[in-house]
Amino acid sequence: DQQVKQNSPSLSVQEGRISILNCDYTNSMFDYFLWYKKYPAEGPTFLISISSIKDKNEDGRFTVFLNKSAKHLSLHIVPSQPGDSAVYFCAASVSPGTYKYIFGTGTRLKVLA
Amino acid sequence: GAGVSQSPRYKVAKRGQDVALRCDPISGHVSLFWYQQALGQGPEFLTYFQNEAQLDKSGLPSDRFFAERPEGSVSTLKIQRTQQEDSAVYLCASSQEHEQYFGPGTRLTVT
Repeated sequence: DQQVKQNSPSLSVQEGRISILNCDYTNSMFDYFLWYKKYPAEGPTFLISISSIKDKNEDGRFTVFLNKSAKHLSLHIVPSQPGDSAVYFCAASVSPGTYKYIFGTGTRLKVLA
Repeated sequence: GAGVSQSPRYKVAKRGQDVALRCDPISGHVSLFWYQQALGQGPEFLTYFQNEAQLDKSGLPSDRFFAERPEGSVSTLKIQRTQQEDSAVYLCASSQEHEQYFGPGTRLTVT
């Protein structure tokens, strides 16, 4: 039973346009969410987080939106750059107050020059 | 400062051998996590330490897997009598609060 789902295995976007990566979850007890970027042969790199008390968090070109009623979050990258080409993972914390995370299966983003 | 480091980066083990994977967390990070990542999948939680205390080991797949962090810093993940299904990338992460910082991983191949 996959509690955190990234239903799009891959996404291609033109350089300069917006990339939107989606993530759905099933457990309404999840209270903190993280996004990571991963290049081949490297560990995941932390990008941005959001708490369930917020519906938006922004950091430079990266914005995460949280829709609690739909149990959905999305990562927006604008403008997209070729260096953003990587696999993106979302992760959700299992229950309030713990730091144990469940990860999605990832979306491979390719930004075309 | 230095990030999370893991060694070795690559390990080939014959089926039945024991292996030990090391993780050096970011200095001062209280929490340490081990994950297993199979090809095409996201990281899967194995175990979690807060300082030297192992607070959650619910993700360890069998009693052949054992992790320790005796002084609350460096951690070792040991796999006894390796099997082919243990082949994966083993990731270590450390954190102060929610945001976890990952090492480069150890790719284990069991032949």
